[in-house]
Amino acid sequence: DTAVSQTPKYLVTQMGNDKSIKCEQNLGHDTMYWYKQDSKKFLKIMFSYNNKELIINETVPNRFSPKSPDKAHLNLHINSLELGDSAVYFCASSRERGVRTGELFFGEGSRLTVL
Amino acid sequence: LAKTTQPISMDSYEGQEVNITCSHNNIATNDYITWYQQFPSQGPRFIIQGYKTKVTNEVASLFIPADRKSSTLSLPRVSLSDTAVYYCLVGRSSGAGSYQLTFGKGTKLSVIP
Repeated sequence: DTAVSQTPKYLVTQMGNDKSIKCEQNLGHDTMYWYKQDSKKFLKIMFSYNNKELIINETVPNRFSPKSPDKAHLNLHINSLELGDSAVYFCASSRERGVRTGELFFGEGSRLTVL
Repeated sequence: LAKTTQPISMDSYEGQEVNITCSHNNIATNDYITWYQQFPSQGPRFIIQGYKTKVTNEVASLFIPADRKSSTLSLPRVSLSDTAVYYCLVGRSSGAGSYQLTFGKGTKLSVIP
């Protein structure tokens, strides 16, 4: 059973298009995240949700809109795609509230290529 | 969040113990130190976390000195399958049920037969 699953794994699209990446976790965790890994391999947090409520919203263009229909799902919708959006997007989840939470469970990533 | 510095790459022979040191001079009181492993085309995988002194699990040990300005991940008797990128992270709870981690470039460990 895949704990954190993302679809699609690969996505190739043209500039200006709108696309979505879906994420589901079956671990019963309360918190879910989206991270972006760029070509230099830096992995940076974009958003986090706790029980469907937005907790962290880093400096991300408002073309990126996360949506959490329930605490097991966190989807990422991207409008008007740009070349610089090409990256690998990772979904993650975590349990526990409080300082000791540091164990995130990551999905396998969704590689987005914008042409 | 505290910035971390670690070697870009390391090589090791199979069966050896590998120690990867990370510096985090600006670590705050509430920060925890976490290490992740990432294989190509996969998401990062949690290895170990600690606050101070020494933490050991079935995979690795984490040594943190009293000033907490650095930490050392120790991998005993590495095998070829340990070839991966290892990230040292300093993070803290956002206070609302979320944990913010900032990943650096990591250390690319290559295990040689």
